[in-house]
Amino acid sequence: SAVISQKPSRDICQRGTSLTIQCQVDSQVTMMFWYRQQPGQSLTLIATANQGSEATYESGFVIDKFPISRPNLTFSTLTVSNMSPEDSSIYLCSVEGTGDTQYFGPGTRLTVL
Amino acid sequence: GENVEQHPSTLSVQEGDSAVIKCTYSDSASNYFPWYKQELGKRPQLIIDIRSNVGEKKDQRIAVTLNKTAKHFSLHITETQPEDSAVYFCAASPSPYSGYSTLTFGKGTMLLVSP
Repeated sequence: SAVISQKPSRDICQRGTSLTIQCQVDSQVTMMFWYRQQPGQSLTLIATANQGSEATYESGFVIDKFPISRPNLTFSTLTVSNMSPEDSSIYLCSVEGTGDTQYFGPGTRLTVL
Repeated sequence: GENVEQHPSTLSVQEGDSAVIKCTYSDSASNYFPWYKQELGKRPQLIIDIRSNVGEKKDQRIAVTLNKTAKHFSLHITETQPEDSAVYFCAASPSPYSGYSTLTFGKGTMLLVSP
């Protein structure tokens, strides 16, 4: 499976600020996904990022709050904008492998004060 | 959209016992069902998956069964070991041949294996 890295691994931010999370994979992949995992909860898909097109957002998530870039086949960023304490979560990227499998990055643990 | 229910939320077993986690899904178009194991502070790891053209799949001590008619699938772990302790998530995904698939996850099962 692909090797996936995320930066930063964790951060503590002030409310009202924005944070950009990077996801890097060691091979070219068509689809990349961004998930949120709130403390002690399951994974919720934020959006799907396909290189060369606008990201597709799931219900309850909007581009103004979570803008996503996908400049090439190995990299994507997720920005959490105008943060509030409710945005405190782990943010994970994943990449699609063969036959619909998905592999996850190590996650970014975000705390908003 | 898809809705995945997972039970139980916690499961405690003795080392060597078997553990079974069950999931149901709502979208009859779903036909890919992966299971992930997430240890504390770590990323979810894919441990086994099954597609709708298969009723059962086994990998050493882990097996998954699928009943498409009833829309439920289960994870079976035999001869449990303390290192099996983790949160397990099931997920469901629609047809893999429509471009790309998204995963809908269950709420997770915390499995505790006591020595």
